[in-house]
Amino acid sequence: GAVVSQHPSWVICKSGTSVKIECRSLDFQATTMFWYRQFPKQSLMLMATSNEGSKATYEQGVEKDKFLINHASLTLSTLTVTSAHPEDSSFYICSVLGEGEQYFGPGTRLTVT
Amino acid sequence: GNSVTQMEGPVTLSEEAFLTINCTYTATGYPSLFWYVQYPGEGLQLLLKATKADDKGSNKGFEATYRKETTSFHLEKGSVQVSDSAVYFCALRAGSSYKLIFGSGTRLLVRP
Repeated sequence: GAVVSQHPSWVICKSGTSVKIECRSLDFQATTMFWYRQFPKQSLMLMATSNEGSKATYEQGVEKDKFLINHASLTLSTLTVTSAHPEDSSFYICSVLGEGEQYFGPGTRLTVT
Repeated sequence: GNSVTQMEGPVTLSEEAFLTINCTYTATGYPSLFWYVQYPGEGLQLLLKATKADDKGSNKGFEATYRKETTSFHLEKGSVQVSDSAVYFCALRAGSSYKLIFGSGTRLLVRP
């Protein structure tokens, strides 16, 4: 299966600033990646589907202007949380679609103060 | 809509005990069902899956059977080890989409 990394693993930012999270497919060319959000003791909620070279498809209720997704290459997708607020604090997880299955990154914990 | 419900944790067992983690689902049509495991500090890994009714997925001593009549996909292992301590997620994938819908996760702690 694909090996997926995320950077950073943990980030703290101040309210009102923007933060970028990277998701890299290390050994697989990923046409499609997914971004999830996980609240404590809750399930992963799909935020958006990221397709290389085209606009991301956002799930209902996810603000596309707040959570900017860019999938500029077959190995990198980025999620930028713009004008972050404390309620955006969460665990963000990406996955890569490969051979019909999803392979997950280790996640990024975002804390907004 | 489609959803997955799994038992709340944490589940605490002694080594070599029998494990069951319950998972039920609601879906239109015939979804594929999955169990993922998340070890501390790592990403989710696919543990096993089943794509149609009565299929049994198995891996690393874990098993789950796709029960359409009870809309369930319970995870079982006959003898757990300390190294099985992790968070387990039940998930479904409906139709032709690759989107996954997850349960809330169940933390398993196995004590020596």
